[in-house]
Amino acid sequence: QSALTQPASVSGSPGQSITISCTGTSSDVGGYNYVSWYQQHPRKAPKLMIYDVSNRPSGVSNRFSGSKSGNTASLTISGLQAEDEADYYCSSYTTSSTLPVFGGGTKLTVL
Amino acid sequence: EVQLVESGGGLVQPGGSLRLSCAASGFTFSNYAMHWVRQAPGKGLEYVSAISSNENITYYANSVKGRFTISRDNSKNMLYLQMVSLRTEDMAVYYCARAGVGGSGWYRNDYWGQGTLVTVSS
Repeated sequence: QSALTQPASVSGSPGQSITISCTGTSSDVGGYNYVSWYQQHPRKAPKLMIYDVSNRPSGVSNRFSGSKSGNTASLTISGLQAEDEADYYCSSYTTSSTLPVFGGGTKLTVL
Repeated sequence: EVQLVESGGGLVQPGGSLRLSCAASGFTFSNYAMHWVRQAPGKGLEYVSAISSNENITYYANSVKGRFTISRDNSKNMLYLQMVSLRTEDMAVYYCARAGVGGSGWYRNDYWGQGTLVTVSS
């Protein structure tokens, strides 16, 4: 069981917006602004999409945005495109471990 | 261009040993902390181990503590993961990943290798 809880799957049609949640506790997501999001296409390495809750690395589309409210962080993808279909993982600093923790991952399907 | 290239994966019997390597290029390796992250077949991501830029600090997941050893050679731009007493549950793709910069950099990975597959089976 992952330390951070994500929905197993979400879906949306091209052009729509979707949001993926990542729920933790005050010991991780809620207590610190060290939440990251990764995109992983099948048989590929993960790619950093968002860090420190809402910052986008250079080169990442502005269709991707992050936010946090209480113990839940969210990744929003607007203007959904076929290439966005992938697995998405959140990660956070946690006081419970010397290493960051991942969520269980969410499979995004573009209908 | 930042590149991380893992090697050393393969088939090993339970109880066996393996050493993974990660060759880094395109950046000043000695300035960055590094992580190993693994992904079991069909499963999610799991942090395995981390090492600070100057090797002074190392961390391990509870699941591998006492069996895995992370190290680096900054003169050769190389990261290593020595794995002993391997178990079937260690079977996974192992990625090396560069930590980010700044105070929060330890908690994110901005570049990843392509991964190397470790299969533990008799």
